[in-house]
Amino acid sequence: DTAVSQTPKYLVTQMGNDKSIKCEQNLGHDTMYWYKQDSKKFLKIMFSYNNKELIINETVPNRFSPKSPDKAHLNLHINSLELGDSAVYFCASSHGNEQFFGPGTRLTVL
Amino acid sequence: RKEVEQDPGPFNVPEGATVAFNCTYSNSASQSFFWYRQDCRKEPKLLMSVYSSGNEDGRFTAQLNRASQYISLLIRDSKLSDSATYLCVVNMGGLAGGYQKVTFGTGTKLQVIP
Repeated sequence: DTAVSQTPKYLVTQMGNDKSIKCEQNLGHDTMYWYKQDSKKFLKIMFSYNNKELIINETVPNRFSPKSPDKAHLNLHINSLELGDSAVYFCASSHGNEQFFGPGTRLTVL
Repeated sequence: RKEVEQDPGPFNVPEGATVAFNCTYSNSASQSFFWYRQDCRKEPKLLMSVYSSGNEDGRFTAQLNRASQYISLLIRDSKLSDSATYLCVVNMGGLAGGYQKVTFGTGTKLQVIP
């Protein structure tokens, strides 16, 4: 069974569109994260939720809006997509120190 | 100075060689440290934690030098399957709600050559 899953795996869309990425974890973890990994492979945290509450919101444009309907899910909605949003987006969860990552969503904005 | 810095490499080493990576961190209050491995087009996965006394897991040895604020990873008897990017991760400590603020380095790419 997949521990942290994300959908879709690939997302190709036009500038200006709105899209969502979904994440689910079946590990029973309280904390979930969204990371962005750009073309230079730099992995940067965007958001963190603990028990459905936003804990960390790094410097991210407000076009990005996370939503956590329950502690097993953390979705990411992106409005008005821009070329610079092209990257791989990783969802992760943790209980304690180790983070478990999803397989990533490769977003390409044309 | 970046919070966590690594030499991006690539380190190209022959099979069987010993290779070492360093990672420096800027926040002296950092509490815990880790090495993650990321294969090409895959997600990062925890390789090992780094303890003050140093720790070893098979061919892998991790060490922490708090005085100089760096951690290291040593790989002995390199295998082709060790080819990957190795990410240094620093935990800045607990925040409200139990969140542990972690910062990832940009990674060091290792290519083991036959």
